[in-house]
Order: sequence, then structure tokens, then C-alpha cells
Amino acid sequence: DIQMTQSPSSVSASVGDRVTITCRASQGIRSWLVWYQQKPGKAPKILISVASSLHSGVPSRFSGSGSGTDFTLTISTLQPEDFATYYCQQASSFPLTFGGGTKVEIK
Amino acid sequence: QLQLQESGPGLVKPSETLSLTCTVSGGSISSDSNYWGWIRQPPGKGLEWIAIINNSGTTYNNPSLKNRVTISVDTSKIQFSLTLSSVTAADTAVYYCVRYSSSLGCFDPWGQGTLVTVSS
Repeated sequence: DIQMTQSPSSVSASVGDRVTITCRASQGIRSWLVWYQQKPGKAPKILISVASSLHSGVPSRFSGSGSGTDFTLTISTLQPEDFATYYCQQASSFPLTFGGGTKVEIK
Repeated sequence: QLQLQESGPGLVKPSETLSLTCTVSGGSISSDSNYWGWIRQPPGKGLEWIAIINNSGTTYNNPSLKNRVTISVDTSKIQFSLTLSSVTAADTAVYYCVRYSSSLGCFDPWGQGTLVTVSS
């Protein structure tokens, strides 16, 4: 199985900050990487697929990059509605696996 | 707009079988490029993929669940279902039904989720 490791597990930030979350795969997954946002009590929502393709309706302050084993999700200017938990997921091979999540908290 | 809705018992006894159904609305379940599946999230923890199936019956299961999973699709009812046998407290989780795009490798959309508690 491909293990997905996210860092940090949590980050405290202020509105307007730039936030970067890292996701590392235990083996190469090319660009088969997806990012989701989950708010408390809600289902996850997709942000980015194939590492860097912004999903329809997702604000442009979100961006993704990387290929192979190392990927990043960047929020350029943190907004109040961005405080949430973020997950990465690999789609290179079965079983499909998720990272452990990164909680973005208010500083 | 495609919407998914889970239904099923919220409480299951240990050693029994968990059964959930997902009803799809606002779209077709018959596209060959789409799979339909299930993901779960234990309270306060991360996401675990369970299984997916397409309208031709091709399935992929997570081996970690050790053959306890059965997934099926009923295109006439625009529904798909999950059964998980021999449940224990470790299977307590919010269960989400999802559409999986094989071309993008992503889950979208998700149902709202349903909490299933395993307890006697």
C-alpha cells in the first residue's frame, strides 16, 4: 500500500497568512494526487485533482503543486472560511489511501 | 446537480452485518467512467477508503477490511449498497457514499454521511 504522510498535522495561522501543507507519498505516484477540505460535521469537498488542477468553483487562492512523491497545497491568503482540515489522497494504485490530515486553526 | 444520500441503521450489534444504501439523484449512475463507492471516518480520525464499483460490476475493495465488504449497484433504482460483515466497535464511523472519477482519481461529490455505531 502507498502511505501518504501529511505535515504539519496542525498549523495555527491568521487571516491573510500564506499557508503551505505538504503531502509525501511512500512511492512515486506521478501526479495522481487529490486535495480535499473538510469542515466540522461536514463531508469533505474536493479542492484540487491531478496535483494541480483546481476544481470548478474553488477559489484561486488555493493551489497545488508537485509530482512523484512530494506535493504541496498552498493557500495564498487565508480567509476565515478556510479554517478546516485538509486531506490528500493518492489515486495511483489500489488501495486508494489518504493522508492523516492537516488542521488549519485560528491563531 | 448530482447528489448522493446515505440511508441505513445507525446502530448495529457486534458480530452482525452493517448494511447501507446510497441513493443517487440529479444524474445517471450508468456512465462507464464513473465508479460509486464508500469511505468511512471514525469519530475524530481520518478517512479510510472502503470500496468502489462501476455499472458493469467491476469492483475494487480495500484489503484491510479482509473480505468483509460487499458492494453492489442497482442501476434501475439508481442506488448502490454496502454490506460489512462481522462488525466490531472498530467499525464505528461516519460512512460516506461517493462518486469516484477514474479519469481524475478523485471522489466527488460526497453524501452528507451517516454515523453507524457498533454496540450491543
